[in-house]
Amino acid sequence: QVQLVQSGAEVKKPESSVKVSCKASGGLRFAINWVRQAPGQGLEWMGGIIPLVGTTNYAQQFQGRITITADKSSNTVYMQLSGLTAEDTAYYYCAGTGNWFDPWGQGTLVTVSS
Amino acid sequence: EIVMTQSPATLSVSPGERATLSCRASQSISINLAWYQQKPGQPPRLLIYEASTRATGVPPRFSGSGSETEFTLTISGLQSEDFAVYYCQQYSDWPPRTFGQGTRVEIK
Repeated sequence: QVQLVQSGAEVKKPESSVKVSCKASGGLRFAINWVRQAPGQGLEWMGGIIPLVGTTNYAQQFQGRITITADKSSNTVYMQLSGLTAEDTAYYYCAGTGNWFDPWGQGTLVTVSS
Repeated sequence: EIVMTQSPATLSVSPGERATLSCRASQSISINLAWYQQKPGQPPRLLIYEASTRATGVPPRFSGSGSETEFTLTISGLQSEDFAVYYCQQYSDWPPRTFGQGTRVEIK
């Protein structure tokens, strides 16, 4: 069964960038998406990548700030978000497949604070 | 962008009773709908996809129905582990994939 394991929690300064990783056991045979959840809030899709072809799609509200990449040699997908503000404080999840999302990573808490 | 609207925001139900959660799409999405359950401190868990197909390992007390713009998640005989937040998500159109705002099922 495929599992997604994410990198650990991060604390960042405003205006800096964060890069979160998501390692897939068994290879990158399906799309990987990124979904975030601010404290006490709902789920927000950020973007996704099809690693086999490198195709990416991003939510409009993150265009220009987000970059999703894949390293097929290490079965790892990365999500980089720049221009951080306090409003970017959230749990960031990777999730597999391009339609419904399954499996999910355990989540990475990113805290943006001066 | 397809907007997903869930109702109610909070549902109070006694253990053993039935819970009925609604999800409405702003335009037709056929049956391209998934439901997730999320408990505190955990990532979401896929329950239902294609509007009515249970994911692997999901108990039969969870059932999904609907098409086009109106969808329902029914939990029959609520158990203690079912008290959580439930989200619907459309995958008819992208970008973006969009979620409803969630329904919290709490103990009455």
